[in-house]
Amino acid sequence: KQEVTQIPAALSVPEGENLVLNCSFTDSAIYNLQWFRQDPGKGLTSLLLIQSSQREQTSGRLNASLDKSSGRSTLYIAASQPGDSATYLCAVRPGYQKVTFGIGTKLQVIP
Amino acid sequence: DAGVIQSPRHEVTEMGQEVTLRCKPISGHNSLFWYRQTMMRGLELLIYFNNNVPIDDSGMPEDRFSAKMPNASFSTLKIQPSEPRDSAVYFCASTGNSFLRMNTEAFFGQGTRLTVV
Repeated sequence: KQEVTQIPAALSVPEGENLVLNCSFTDSAIYNLQWFRQDPGKGLTSLLLIQSSQREQTSGRLNASLDKSSGRSTLYIAASQPGDSATYLCAVRPGYQKVTFGIGTKLQVIP
Repeated sequence: DAGVIQSPRHEVTEMGQEVTLRCKPISGHNSLFWYRQTMMRGLELLIYFNNNVPIDDSGMPEDRFSAKMPNASFSTLKIQPSEPRDSAVYFCASTGNSFLRMNTEAFFGQGTRLTVV
């Protein structure tokens, strides 16, 4: 059974700081890995999708990397802003259409 | 496209009552997922459909839970009878699907916050 772990569970940083969120998964046989953002009381918004054949994806200040062999992914946020405050979820697709989520990392960026 | 649409956004009901949650996936997507989110357990996959057919319902917690997808544009999740421990946020998600293009992005609805008192 695929298990997804996200560390840390919560993170508080001052505005402008660069930060890294971690995601690890137990079964390296995945099709893709997706990072989501969830604001309080809202649904999930897709940030980045990394295919199993890719090493990283970039969108603006966000960069996500994938190391399948070690079962790890990182989400790098450059020059953090208060608007980045949210819960960030990592999800892996280990098999046909079935997705497993981590519990998430709650990020607070302090002005 | 308006994205994945769920209704209602909030539902408060008494224990023992039937609850029906609704979802309209993104047009053209033929995989649909129902998730439940709680503080303790995070996001849990309840069931997913491919081309309107239930593929895996192993996440459905009890027989009180049932889900249907009568056509490509509509799905329901029903809880009968509801219990206080069913209180959670229920999300619906959809993805495009092709046997040759399985690396597709999942899109989520805004969720239904269910409170059973």
